[in-house]
Amino acid sequence: SQKIEQNSEALNIQEGKTATLTCNYTNYSPAYLQWYRQDPGRGPVFLLLIRENEKEKRKERLKVTFDTTLKQSLFHITASQPADSATYLCALDPSSGYSTLTFGKGTMLLVSP
Amino acid sequence: NAGVTQTPKFRILKIGQSMTLQCTQDMNHNYMYWYRQDPGMGLKLIYYSVGAGITDKGEVPNGYNVSRSTTEDFPLRLELAAPSQTSVYFCASSYSGTSANEQFFGPGTRLTVL
Repeated sequence: SQKIEQNSEALNIQEGKTATLTCNYTNYSPAYLQWYRQDPGRGPVFLLLIRENEKEKRKERLKVTFDTTLKQSLFHITASQPADSATYLCALDPSSGYSTLTFGKGTMLLVSP
Repeated sequence: NAGVTQTPKFRILKIGQSMTLQCTQDMNHNYMYWYRQDPGMGLKLIYYSVGAGITDKGEVPNGYNVSRSTTEDFPLRLELAAPSQTSVYFCASSYSGTSANEQFFGPGTRLTVL
């Protein structure tokens, strides 16, 4: 069966360090993979999208990698700040190019001052 | 632009009652979606629409109905509320039909069925 797995345990790091979040998937062949941020009591907000033929994408302090062989995406936040504390969701299309997305359960990131 | 708006923010229903969750977007997006999110779980797609007059089922459509008479509005109807429908409901929209496009989410409706 198809699965998207994100670490269910919260990731605790100190301010200034790099946070790395993992998204693994099985039995999918997504054309795109997206990352969203969700704050408590709010809707998800889009952060980054990476295509299957891209190895890496950057936006300010954010970096996403996409390894279709390992079926894994890594999401990095460099020089993390307490304001980065949130839940991060990965999402991918269940069949190549389709408009609907399947979301992982998300990983909570806690950045301590 | 207000983006995606949802009403109400909170609602408590009794078992068997009905209600409509409202969703409106002002970005002229063709694609709209309804998700539910249970604690510790990911977003589950209930229904989606690729344009006015066209809707399709998602992963968890049972107990819900939708309509799309205009580009802007995509209401979600619960006919006979059940405790299993206690959840947070998010509406979203996107510009086009490929997953290369980001989805814009509303603030959510927190529904409790007692």
